[in-house]
This record gives sequence, structure tokens and C-alpha cells, in this order.
Amino acid sequence: AQKVTQAQTEISVVEKEDVTLDCVYETRDTTYYLFWYKQPPSGELVFLIRRNSFDEQNEISGRYSWNFQKSTSSFNFTITASQVVDSAVYFCALSVGASGGSYIPTFGRGTSLIVHP
Amino acid sequence: DVKVTQSSRYLVKRTGEKVFLECVQDMDHENMFWYRQDPGLGLRLIYFSYDVKMKEKGDIPEGYSVSREKKERFSLILESASTNQTSMYLCASSFNSGGETYEQYFGPGTRLTVT
Repeated sequence: AQKVTQAQTEISVVEKEDVTLDCVYETRDTTYYLFWYKQPPSGELVFLIRRNSFDEQNEISGRYSWNFQKSTSSFNFTITASQVVDSAVYFCALSVGASGGSYIPTFGRGTSLIVHP
Repeated sequence: DVKVTQSSRYLVKRTGEKVFLECVQDMDHENMFWYRQDPGLGLRLIYFSYDVKMKEKGDIPEGYSVSREKKERFSLILESASTNQTSMYLCASSFNSGGETYEQYFGPGTRLTVT
């Protein structure tokens, strides 16, 4: 069985601060995929990143960066110089790889990020 | 641009009514999902479908049924709505390729209130 833990329920920061959202996962599969999604106040979840278990390279996209560490089963997300528009609920998710059939992702409970001006 | 649409953003129904929530995707995705989202509980999977007419129960299927007659459309049915089904309902779709798993695309959600 798969499990995703986002221990931080809510984080509150002031604009321009850096913030890291933690994600710890559990799986026995050697092939798996990790995702981050953003849910702004409007409600629609938006895909941010996908990472497979064989690619441990960190990724940077503008102010966003992701640190994937298999040794600690973590896939943390950092926002540099946070902005008010970053205020949202962020979900980490895990899917295992398989051939055929369906792939059901396991979601963490989400971290609510509040960025104050 | 990929799109998942849901029939209503807000819906108010009475206890005991039969409720239909419709979801349509235009990406030719094999997989479609229905979730409900409640404060503090994250996303909980109700049902999913990996092909036309195929469906499988998720974590909380009780009180719900689904229908997938066409690849692009996945309907969630509340046979007899109850107040504990008041929630935000999210539809999503995804595709498979070469044995790999890809991201889900979500609709805007339907906030259902049962009175």
C-alpha cells in the first residue's frame, strides 16, 4: 500500500520569504511517480510537476524548486521569494508504475500556504 | 488546451433527491476519477474508470454510483442524497502510455449542498 504524508497542515509566511513544503512517501514499488498539485482559492487543482523514481535530479522552475531524495523518501517543494499569489493548498501525490490497468494516485492531505503581503 | 468540465459549479439539492454530476474531458484520456474533498480530509476517491463501461470502487463508494457510456464522459450519481454528502466533488482524468503514469487533469469542482 502507498502512503503520502504532508505533516504541515498550514504554513503562514510573509511575502518574499522562502518556504518549503514537505512530502514524505511510502511504497514498496521500485517504479513510482511523484506529483505536486496546487489548488488556489478558485478550487481547481493544477498540476505542477511529475517525477519518476529513476530520476533523482532536482528541478527548478522559476521560483519553484523540488528536492527528490529517495534515501529519505521525500519530495519537498520550495517556493523562493513567496508572493501572495502563491497562497493555495498544495498536494503531493504518489502513483506506482504498472503495465495495463489503471493507476490510482494516493494523495497527501495537503498543506495550506498563506502568504501575507 | 486540455480541459475537464463539470456540469455545475454549485448545486443545492434536498435530502432524498437523485443527483447527477457530469464530467466531460476533451483529451481522449482512458482514466477518469471522482473525488470528494472535505476540510482536513484531503481528496478521497469515490470511483474511477479506466475504460468505457469499466468502473472500480475507490475508498468511499457507499451511497454513490457511476456511469461511463462514452470515453469522454463520466457521471457520478447520488441515488438518494443525504446531508453527509454535502461536499466539494472533483472530477479528474489521466492517460497511460508505455506503462508510465502521468498527471491528472482536474475539473473546477462542484460544490454540492444537500439540505
